[in-house]
This record gives sequence, structure tokens and C-alpha cells, in this order.
Amino acid sequence: EIVMTQSPATLSVSPGERATLSCRASQSVSSNLAWYQQKPGQAPRLLIDGASTRATAIPARFSGSGSGTEFTLTISSLQFEDFAVYYCQQYNNWPRTFGQGTKLEIK
Amino acid sequence: QLQLRESGPGLVKPSETLSLICTVSGGSISTSSYYWGWIRQPPGKGLEWIGSIYYSGSTYCNPSLKSRVTISVDTSKNQFSLKVSSVTAADTAVYYCAREGAVAGIFDYWGQGTLVTVSS
Repeated sequence: EIVMTQSPATLSVSPGERATLSCRASQSVSSNLAWYQQKPGQAPRLLIDGASTRATAIPARFSGSGSGTEFTLTISSLQFEDFAVYYCQQYNNWPRTFGQGTKLEIK
Repeated sequence: QLQLRESGPGLVKPSETLSLICTVSGGSISTSSYYWGWIRQPPGKGLEWIGSIYYSGSTYCNPSLKSRVTISVDTSKNQFSLKVSSVTAADTAVYYCAREGAVAGIFDYWGQGTLVTVSS
């Protein structure tokens, strides 16, 4: 099983600033990496797939990068609606595995 | 617009079997382009993939749960289902059903989730 590790667990950032979230895989997943956003009481929402391709209707301030074992999600100018929990997920291998999440909170 | 909706008991006794159904509307479950998956989230914790099924009935399950999990599909009703046997308190979670790409295993449509509590 591929273990996905996200850092930091909690990130405090002010609105308008940039947020950088990291995700590391225990072995290479190529570019088979997705990012999701989850708000309280809601299902996760797909943001990024293929490590860097924004999903439908996702704003351009969200960008993803990386390949192999190291990945980054960047939110260029935080809006209030962006404060949520973010998960990475690999789909290179079965079983599908998620990181433990990064909580993005308002500073 | 594709919609998924989970249904089933919200309370299950320890050692019994948890059973959930996911009803898909706005699209056919009988498509070669997608799998149909179950993911769960214990209260305050992260996401765990349980397993996925293809419309033909082929399944992939998480080895950590495989011995207790059964996933099936009913194409006539546009539904797929989940059974988890011998449940314990550790199976208490919000259970989501979701559409998974058959080529790229991303989950692009999700149900709203249903909380299942295991308690006597």
C-alpha cells in the first residue's frame, strides 16, 4: 500500500496570502495524484487531477505541481471560502489511498 | 447533472452487518468509463477508500477490509451497494459513494454521505 503523507497538519494563513500544501508518497505514483477540498458537513470536492490539471469550474488560483513522490497544492490568493481541509489521493496503485489531510485555517 | 445518494440504517449493532445502497441518477451506471466506489470517514478523521465496482460486477477492495466487505451492483436499478460484516465501533463513519474514473482513478462525483454509527 502506498502511504500518502501531508504536511503541515494545520496551516494558518491570512486571506489574500498564498498557501502551499505538501503531499509525499511512499513510492512513486508518477502524476497519478489528485487533490480534494472538504468543508465541514460536506463531501470532498475534486480540485486537481493528474497532479496539475484543474477540475471543471475550479478557479485558477488553485494550482498543483509535482510528480513521482513529491507534490504541492498552491492557492495563490486565499479567499474566505478556501479555508477548509485538503486531501491528496494517489490513483497509481490499488488500494487507492488518501493523505491524512491539511487543515487550512484563517490566521 | 449526475447525482449519487446513499441510503441505509444510521445505527447498526456491533457484530452485525452494515448495509448501504447508492442510487445514481442523471446518468447510467452501466458505462465503461467509470467505476463506482465507497469511501468512509470516521468522525474527525481522514478518508479511507473501501472499494470500487465496475458495472460488469468486477470489484476492487481495500485489503484492510476485504474479508468483511461485499460490493455489488444492480444495473436495472442504477444502484450499487456495500455490506460490511462483523462491525465494531471502529466502523462508525460517514460513508460516501462516489464515481471513479476507470482510466484515472479520481473521484469526481460524490454523494452527500451518510453517518453510520455502530453501537448497541
